[in-house]
Amino acid sequence: NAGVTQTPKFQVLKTGQSMTLQCAQDMNHNSMYWYRQDPGMGLRLIYYSASEGTTDKGEVPNGYNVSRLNKREFSLRLESAAPSQTSVYFCASSVGTGPGTEAFFGQGTRLTVV
Amino acid sequence: GDSVTQMEGPVTLSEEAFLTINCTYTATGYPSLFWYVQYPGEGLQLLLKATKADDKGSNKGFEATYRKETTSFHLEKGSVQVSDSAVYFCALRPLSGYSTLTFGKGTMLLVSP
Repeated sequence: NAGVTQTPKFQVLKTGQSMTLQCAQDMNHNSMYWYRQDPGMGLRLIYYSASEGTTDKGEVPNGYNVSRLNKREFSLRLESAAPSQTSVYFCASSVGTGPGTEAFFGQGTRLTVV
Repeated sequence: GDSVTQMEGPVTLSEEAFLTINCTYTATGYPSLFWYVQYPGEGLQLLLKATKADDKGSNKGFEATYRKETTSFHLEKGSVQVSDSAVYFCALRPLSGYSTLTFGKGTMLLVSP
């Protein structure tokens, strides 16, 4: 039962470097999300994809881009990493976006930008 | 916009104590409400949910009742265990449109033997 799989689990970047965080789900879910978790801030939505072929900005999209590669995969790209992007990143998926729909989360990627 | 407010932690309890973690929300209409739990080093897991007023969600001894009159969804457990030590997040999903989950800031629970 893989669920939502994120890679890598840990990453250290230098300021200005780029990288892509990968996320894949095997639950045939339509909707996928990227959140970041910072101390005292809870989880904040970066981008989401309500369905394959669509993406929308969340609360904190600046400095990020996303790609919904297919129904299973939703990647998050940092084009030029900044120390403010040091965080734990979580990918999640859900059947849809309707009322009562729960989201399933991956294990997270801990990113440090130095 | 929609928002969720949780009591600040950490909440420190002895084993077998009664737990309450307060959660209130601001939203248009009647959103769905959720409690998620995050154990150290892991992702979030759904603990329980409620989708309409007066619904009670329950799981693993935890309960929360959707109170529209007080816009609250407080989490309770009658007797906590050391293994309940974790961070608990309250969240809402609005009723309409392409809705996403909005989370509170989380409340850390520490249970000592």
